[in-house]
Amino acid sequence: AQSVSQHNHHVILSEAASLELGCNYSYGGTVNLFWYVQYPGQHLQLLLKYFSGDPLVKGIKGFEAEFIKSKFSFNLRKPSVQWSDTAEYFCASYNTDKLIFGTGTRLQVFP
Amino acid sequence: NAGVTQTPKFRVLKTGQSMTLLCAQDMNHEYMYWYRQDPGMGLRLIHYSVGEGTTAKGEVPDGYNVSRLKKQNFLLGLESAAPSQTSVYFCASSYYAGGTAEQYFGPGTRLTVT
Repeated sequence: AQSVSQHNHHVILSEAASLELGCNYSYGGTVNLFWYVQYPGQHLQLLLKYFSGDPLVKGIKGFEAEFIKSKFSFNLRKPSVQWSDTAEYFCASYNTDKLIFGTGTRLQVFP
Repeated sequence: NAGVTQTPKFRVLKTGQSMTLLCAQDMNHEYMYWYRQDPGMGLRLIHYSVGEGTTAKGEVPDGYNVSRLKKQNFLLGLESAAPSQTSVYFCASSYYAGGTAEQYFGPGTRLTVT
């Protein structure tokens, strides 16, 4: 069965530090990948998505992700995090009518 | 547009009680989904619908039933609640189910079963 793995369960950073959150997917065919963010007490929002073309995808709030087919990875990056980036981040892969989500990474940013 | 709304926002049930969660969307989306979110487990799909009058099982359907009588509404029912169903429930919708489709999420319902 298709799966999505997020190995960083909890990340703690200081403001201005660089961020990279890992995401690996298992499906070997055509992939459509997403990163969603859930700020404390809020619903999930789409950060960015990849479905074809340039493997470096830019999203909202300065986030970007790179699709590396050979590594089955879609890591999320941000060069300089802010306190307001404190949230839970979910990677997801599309599979026949539905999204398969990873278990999420909780990011805490301290001033 | 209100987007995706869910009622109620919070609910406490006793074991064996029943309840229905309502999801409504005003974006004319064909596809609707119910997820549950548990700590350390991410979001898991319970049931989904690809259009009015249709439903399909997701990853964790046991103990839940759903109905999509109207395009804009997707109901999730618990016939006999169990403590294992304590969770946060999210509804989502999308215009289509292709790989590029963004799912829009509701604010969630926090359910506690004692």
